[in-house]
Amino acid sequence: SQQGEEDPQALSIQEGENATMNCSYKTSINNLQWYRQNSGRGLVHLILIRSNEREKHSGRLRVTLDTSKKSSSLLITASRAADTASYFCATDEGYSTLTFGKGTMLLVSP
Amino acid sequence: KAGVTQTPRYLIKTRGQQVTLSCSPISGHRSVSWYQQTPGQGLQFLFEYFSETQRNKGNFPGRFSGRQFSNSRSEMNVSTLELGDSALYLCASSLSAGTETQYFGPGTRLLVL
Repeated sequence: SQQGEEDPQALSIQEGENATMNCSYKTSINNLQWYRQNSGRGLVHLILIRSNEREKHSGRLRVTLDTSKKSSSLLITASRAADTASYFCATDEGYSTLTFGKGTMLLVSP
Repeated sequence: KAGVTQTPRYLIKTRGQQVTLSCSPISGHRSVSWYQQTPGQGLQFLFEYFSETQRNKGNFPGRFSGRQFSNSRSEMNVSTLELGDSALYLCASSLSAGTETQYFGPGTRLLVL
């Protein structure tokens, strides 16, 4: 069953703008991950944040985690057309497997 | 290092047939997980193998099965195919547990007619 839920379902922005996606989950987690998928291909791991971390950066990506609100956000700064993709959060939520949300489709227009 | 490879990339089958998909993980990775992705249900976990043992199984019927070999390569099999089995099947490997960073292959797109 889908545990992580991304919001919004779709996001359309111009190149150079920032994109923010949110993920909410239901139970306690050990870690939360974000993945990107380009047009029906395999997923690419972007970043993993552990439950005892509040913020993590990787290049133009910033991820925050608020365990009290059971939510995470992914910020992509200075978006490029190549960032056009679907973005998924994945959580373990106490299980020994990952469960993925349905994703946010990001469209970055030149 | 070579990435995760999946074969075949595309497959067309008819209802009632069976299919076998193959996944070769990144060298040194011992955990292989399989997912089914459809527009309606999204990404759903099928099963995870570690050191040739099935460690976890998702909520799928017994028609879906898999195995892992001693070199960590994995196969999944779907018997008596149904139209609803049309999907992108993704394999992912990780060093140890399936809840750590997973590296995905390009997927096998299965169409059941």
